[in-house]
Amino acid sequence: AQKVTQAQTEISVVEKEDVTLDCVYETRDTTYYLFWYKQPPSGELVFLIRRNSFDEQNEISGRYSWNFQKSTSSFNFTITASQVVDSAVYFCALSEDVLAGRRALTFGSGTRLQVQP
Amino acid sequence: GAVVSQHPSWVICKSGTSVKIECRSLDFQATTMFWYRQFPKQSLMLMATSNEGSKATYEQGVEKDKFLINHASLTLSTLTVTSAHPEDSSFYICSAREISGISGNTIYFGEGSWLTVV
Repeated sequence: AQKVTQAQTEISVVEKEDVTLDCVYETRDTTYYLFWYKQPPSGELVFLIRRNSFDEQNEISGRYSWNFQKSTSSFNFTITASQVVDSAVYFCALSEDVLAGRRALTFGSGTRLQVQP
Repeated sequence: GAVVSQHPSWVICKSGTSVKIECRSLDFQATTMFWYRQFPKQSLMLMATSNEGSKATYEQGVEKDKFLINHASLTLSTLTVTSAHPEDSSFYICSAREISGISGNTIYFGEGSWLTVV
């Protein structure tokens, strides 16, 4: 069975601080995808990144960066120089059975990030 | 690019009535769509997997007679909350997977639907 754990329920930082959101996953599959989504108060899910299990390269996109480590089954997300607009709930998710396309995403419980001005 | 459109975004209904939420894949065909529910300050929980032309597969604990799912075409899945009660008030969101060959699957989410039962 697959599982995603986001141990940090809520994080509060002051603007311009760096913040890392942790994500640990469990899966028996060797082929899988990991995702991060942002959910602002309006509710829609904003796609941030998808990473397949064969690609362990870290990725940077502007102020966002992701660290994927298969050895520790972690896919952590760092926001550099945080801004108030980054305040949202962030979800890490896992999807197995990618070739068949039959499986839904399994979401972590989410981390609520509050960036104070 | 591909988009999943969900309608309505907001709906308020009276207790005991039924409400239908539509999920459409635009620009691509989705043989499989997924319905999630999210209670306030909680994660998204999968309710059911909607398969085009066949019955939906429901997750444990989800009442199939209460949450009717129909996937009659490759671009449309509907979720009908029957005899709605206040405890059904939640955020419902659908997703569709575009099968895209070697690169794998791309997953698109609808905008979500806020249901309030009064």
